[in-house]
Amino acid sequence: AQKVTQTQTSISVMEKTTVTMDCVYETQDSSYFLFWYKQTASGEIVFLIRQDSYKKENATVGHYSLNFQKPKSSIGLIITATQIEDSAVYFCAMREGNYAQGLTFGLGTRVSVFP
Amino acid sequence: DMKVTQMPRYLIKRMGENVLLECGQDMSHETMYWYRQDPGLGLQLIYISYDVDSNSEGDIPKGYRVSRKKREHFSLILDSAKTNQTSVYFCASSTGFNQAPLFGEGTRLSVL
Repeated sequence: AQKVTQTQTSISVMEKTTVTMDCVYETQDSSYFLFWYKQTASGEIVFLIRQDSYKKENATVGHYSLNFQKPKSSIGLIITATQIEDSAVYFCAMREGNYAQGLTFGLGTRVSVFP
Repeated sequence: DMKVTQMPRYLIKRMGENVLLECGQDMSHETMYWYRQDPGLGLQLIYISYDVDSNSEGDIPKGYRVSRKKREHFSLILDSAKTNQTSVYFCASSTGFNQAPLFGEGTRLSVL
């Protein structure tokens, strides 16, 4: 069974700095997809970035990037040059296999960005 | 405009009443999902639908049923709602197995 764990409950950072948050996952499947989402204060859940298990290169989208360490079953999210608007709860999620199925989510990390 | 729309956004029901949550998407996505979100439990999958009349139970289907008669529309039904079904319900849709689901804005349901 797949499992996703985010050990950091909350992180506080100063604006314009870099924040890193951790996520480890468990899967028996050799093919899987990893996703990061952000939930804003209004409750909206927004997709940020994705990593495919077969890709060695770390994904990057805007000021979001991933630190994919496959041997450690780890997928960290890095946000550079943080802004106040980056304050949110960040969820790591995983989908196994090469077919459509639901995502398994971690419990999230709350990031607070201060001026 | 790519969007998943949930109706209603807020709902208060009494225990034992029937509840209908509706979800629509305008992208012709094959796959749609219902999740619920509770503090300390995160997002949990209730049902997944692969297309019209092709639905599958998720991790917590008990007490829920779904209906999908059109690709664009996916309903979640609570027959005789219970107080422990008070939660925030999210609908999502996606196309392809490697695409990230797009989430709706959620429905906050209170069962009194």
